[in-house]
Formats: sequence, structure tokens, C-alpha cells
Amino acid sequence: DAGITQSPRHKVTETGTPVTLRCHQTENHRYMYWYRQDPGHGLRLIHYSYGVKDTDKGEVSDGYSVSRSKTEDFLLTLESATSSQTSVYFCAISDVGTGRIAQHFGDGTRLSIL
Amino acid sequence: RKEVEQDPGPFNVPEGATVAFNCTYSNSASQSFFWYRQDCRKEPKLLMSVYSSGNEDGRFTAQLNRASQYISLLIRDSKLSDSATYLCVVNSGGATNKLIFGTGTLLAVQP
Repeated sequence: DAGITQSPRHKVTETGTPVTLRCHQTENHRYMYWYRQDPGHGLRLIHYSYGVKDTDKGEVSDGYSVSRSKTEDFLLTLESATSSQTSVYFCAISDVGTGRIAQHFGDGTRLSIL
Repeated sequence: RKEVEQDPGPFNVPEGATVAFNCTYSNSASQSFFWYRQDCRKEPKLLMSVYSSGNEDGRFTAQLNRASQYISLLIRDSKLSDSATYLCVVNSGGATNKLIFGTGTLLAVQP
């Protein structure tokens, strides 16, 4: 399995609080991604990174920010969590960012916003 | 129209059966296609890439039909352990070239 670790694995928090999810990889892959998965939707891309300090928005980026200060770490921050951000969050990595090779996923973080 | 569409199922089949899933995609510029498997409350895992000529991996066969814009997955001799959700994944093509995920097809193999 690809060396991807997400933390925390589960989190329950209240509306309005900041939340940071961490993705750590040991594969030295250039590209890292954050997705959310909700019932009735496929995985949807929130943000992605194509290198240290290089990030871009995905299709559902509103309310989220990211940072990548090291190759191995990609952080997802909910500045002020809302109930609509209750979801399962997956980090993924790939060596190439063309979309022509598969991405590999971490175990996911289950986030509940009350 | 969704960019990637799958029948959500569930497909309930007995052990040993052959089952096939189809997936349609809307963007004719898409160049790469994958099937992922996702077990309940787990992460998606790559099952196989789908090549233009079709490809096989053990009991699993994937086919691509560019003219009709669909891909298929055939599972022969189903096992209980094949029970999972199967995600169809297509790259978006063009300038953005992201991966687009279908909502998945649920397979339940019965003893």
C-alpha cells in the first residue's frame, strides 16, 4: 500500500471552529490531492498541490484552504467549519499530475460538524 | 448530465456468477480510464486501468468503447470477497486533466 497517513482519522467538532486535517506521504510524490466523499456524489476534488507551496483549487474549494510547506505534508483547513462540511475526506497522491495515471488514497478522515 | 454515470445497483449475485458493470462518460476528450474498488468505510483502491485494447487481470476484464463513450468491468466466478462498491474513474481531458469519479456500483455476492 502507498505510504499515506491521514490524521486525525475521526473528528467531531462544532460549527464555527477551525479544523485542520493532515496528509503525510512517504512516497516522495509530487502531486497531492484532497477530496471529499458524500452520499450521492462521486469523490469531489477540493484542492490539489503540484509541488511545495504550489496549490490550486478543485471543484468544491469554497470554505477550504490548503498549505504544503514540505513535499511530504499537505494540510487541509476549514477556517470556520459548517455542517455542510460534514463528510469523509480523502487525501490522494500521484507521481504525475496529468490525470493519466492513477492516484492512491489514504485511509480517510471522518469529520462531523455539529 | 453527470460527467461519469454508473448504475448504483445493488447487484446481488450468487457466488460463481459472472457480473458486468457499465459506466458512461460525457467528455470525448477523456484519455484515461480506471476502475477502483471501495470497501465499506474504506478508501478507494485501484483495481485496474482500462486500455483501449481492453485488458484482463485474472477474473477481471475491462473494456473501453470510445465511440459510445463507455467502459465496462466484467467479473467472472464471483467471490464473496468481491463484494464492494466499484468506482468508474475518467480523466477530464483538456487543460485541467483531473480525475472524475462516478458514484459507484454496489456489488453484493451472496453465498
